[in-house]
Amino acid sequence: KQEVTQIPAALSVPEGENLVLNCSFTDSAIYNLQWFRQDPGKGLTSLLLIQSSQREQTSGRLNASLDKSSGRSTLYIAASQPGDSATYLCAVFMNYGGSQGNLIFGKGTKLSVKP
Amino acid sequence: DTGVSQNPRHKITKRGQNVTFRCDPISEHNRLYWYRQTLGQGPEFLTYFQNEAQLEKSRLLSDRFSAERPKGSFSTLEIQRTEQGDSAMYLCASSLDRGLHGYTFGSGTRLTVV
Repeated sequence: KQEVTQIPAALSVPEGENLVLNCSFTDSAIYNLQWFRQDPGKGLTSLLLIQSSQREQTSGRLNASLDKSSGRSTLYIAASQPGDSATYLCAVFMNYGGSQGNLIFGKGTKLSVKP
Repeated sequence: DTGVSQNPRHKITKRGQNVTFRCDPISEHNRLYWYRQTLGQGPEFLTYFQNEAQLEKSRLLSDRFSAERPKGSFSTLEIQRTEQGDSAMYLCASSLDRGLHGYTFGSGTRLTVV
């Protein structure tokens, strides 16, 4: 059974700081990894998708890396802004589904960026 | 295409009542998924459809839950005899084929059982 862990569970930083969110997974046989953002009481917004053959993806101030062999991914946010405050969720896509489903989530990191 | 649409956004119901949620996926996506998310947790898989066929169910999906996707387009999730433990955010997502190019989620339906 795949397990996804996100560290830290919560993070508070002053505006302008660069920061790293971590995601680890127990089964390295993943097909891709997707980072999502979730604002309070809202649905999920996809940020970045990294295919298993890729090492990283970039979008604006966001950069996500993937190391399948070590079962880790990081989401790097440059020059953080108060508008980045949200919960960030990491999800891995498995080829096998079953009762767990194909897309398996961590519990998220709640980020607060102070002005 | 406006993405994945879910209705209603919020639902408050009394314990024991039945509720039904609707999800309209991205039109060209053939797979549709239902997830449940409780406070402080990541989304947990409930069930998914490929076209109109329901292919997998989680053990979380008790007998009081039923999902349909009658014409392979929109889907409904019904909860019968709601319990306080059913209070959660119910999320719908869709993907093309197995989702190797990512899932697209809707805004969710927040259910509160009082």
